[in-house]
Amino acid sequence: RKEVEQDPGPFNVPEGATVAFNCTYSNSASQSFFWYRQDCRKEPKLLMSVYSSGNEDGRFTAQLNRASQYISLLIRDSKLSDSATYLCVVKEGSQGNLIFGKGTKLSVKP
Amino acid sequence: EPEVTQTPSHQVTQMGQEVILRCVPISNHLYFYWYRQILGQKVEFLVSFYNNEISEKSEIFDDQFSVERPDGSNFTLKIRSTKLEDSAMYFCASSDSFNQPQHFGDGTRLSIL
Repeated sequence: RKEVEQDPGPFNVPEGATVAFNCTYSNSASQSFFWYRQDCRKEPKLLMSVYSSGNEDGRFTAQLNRASQYISLLIRDSKLSDSATYLCVVKEGSQGNLIFGKGTKLSVKP
Repeated sequence: EPEVTQTPSHQVTQMGQEVILRCVPISNHLYFYWYRQILGQKVEFLVSFYNNEISEKSEIFDDQFSVERPDGSNFTLKIRSTKLEDSAMYFCASSDSFNQPQHFGDGTRLSIL
């Protein structure tokens, strides 16, 4: 069974803090990886793709370790608007269906 | 920015009734998907659709489920005889190629009574 595991949190941090989320995946043949964010009772929204060399988008940095089957997301200088659930997602199958983790809840406090 | 749209936003149906959930994917996208999320649980893959046929389906997508692309814009999910456990958020997603990220609609909340 193909699984994506995440620490459910919640992570409660003050504004301006740096916070890191981790994720592991079970299928070593997986090729594509993403972080999505989901606000309460809303749809998942793509935050960023995760590349083997690591990638950065503003305050967000994603890393992939294929040997350990481990994905991470670092958020620097947290904003109140970063409060959401962060979903680790792995693409599977010949047509690219997504396997989601249960998500890590982040709450940024003033 | 183009987006995936879903209707209705909330559907309340009696157990045993048929329900059709509708989606309009982004216009130049070729790959279409349905996912569901039971309250408090993770998002789960149901089915993928490409070139007018089902590409893959999960074990959740049994004979009670079907999908259709009746015209050039709509993509529908039908549940023939709903059960209480079908209550969930149903998300449609699309992408323009296999390797590109999927974009999600804002979902249909299905409540089975």
